[in-house]
Amino acid sequence: AQSVTQPDIHITVSEGASLELRCNYSYGATPYLFWYVQSPGQGLQLLLKYFSGDTLVQGIKGFEAEFKRSQSSFNLRKPSVHWSDAAEYFCAVGAGYALNFGKGTSLLVTP
Amino acid sequence: EAQVTQNPRYLITVTGKKLTVTCSQNMNHEYMSWYRQDPGLGLRQIYYSMNVEVTDKGDVPEGYKVSRKEKRNFPLILESPSPNQTSLYFCASSLAFNNEQFFGPGTRLTVL
Repeated sequence: AQSVTQPDIHITVSEGASLELRCNYSYGATPYLFWYVQSPGQGLQLLLKYFSGDTLVQGIKGFEAEFKRSQSSFNLRKPSVHWSDAAEYFCAVGAGYALNFGKGTSLLVTP
Repeated sequence: EAQVTQNPRYLITVTGKKLTVTCSQNMNHEYMSWYRQDPGLGLRQIYYSMNVEVTDKGDVPEGYKVSRKEKRNFPLILESPSPNQTSLYFCASSLAFNNEQFFGPGTRLTVL
């Protein structure tokens, strides 16, 4: 069965600093991959997705992610974090008709 | 406005009292899904539907039922709720199973 691991439960970053959130998956074939963001008390919003092709994908709000097949990873990055980026981030892996989410990484942004 | 709606948004009930949480989308999406979100566990898929009359179990289907009689609606039914079903529930829809999912606002359910 497929699984998704987000190793960092909480991350604290200073405003303006760079950010990388990790996501590893376990799946036999090439999955389709997503990153979603959830602001407090809100639903989930798609940041970016990877199905095939270029392994570096650009998303909304200045985020990007890189699919590395050899490492089974799909890490999310942003070069300069803004205070409004504080939220919970979920990596999701699609396999067949089902979608599996990681447990999430909570991002705190300090002044 | 393209959206996924859920009702009710908040519900407090008692053990064993049957309830239904409705979900409706106006985007003509084929795929719909239900998730529950619990602290420290992320989102876990309960059931999904690839199309009308076609549904399948996700990771945590026990204690839940669904039906997909119309394309736009995908209700979640708890026939005999128990306290361990206290959670935040999200409905989502997408054009196809491997497309971006659009999420509803969530339903916070408390079972006493």
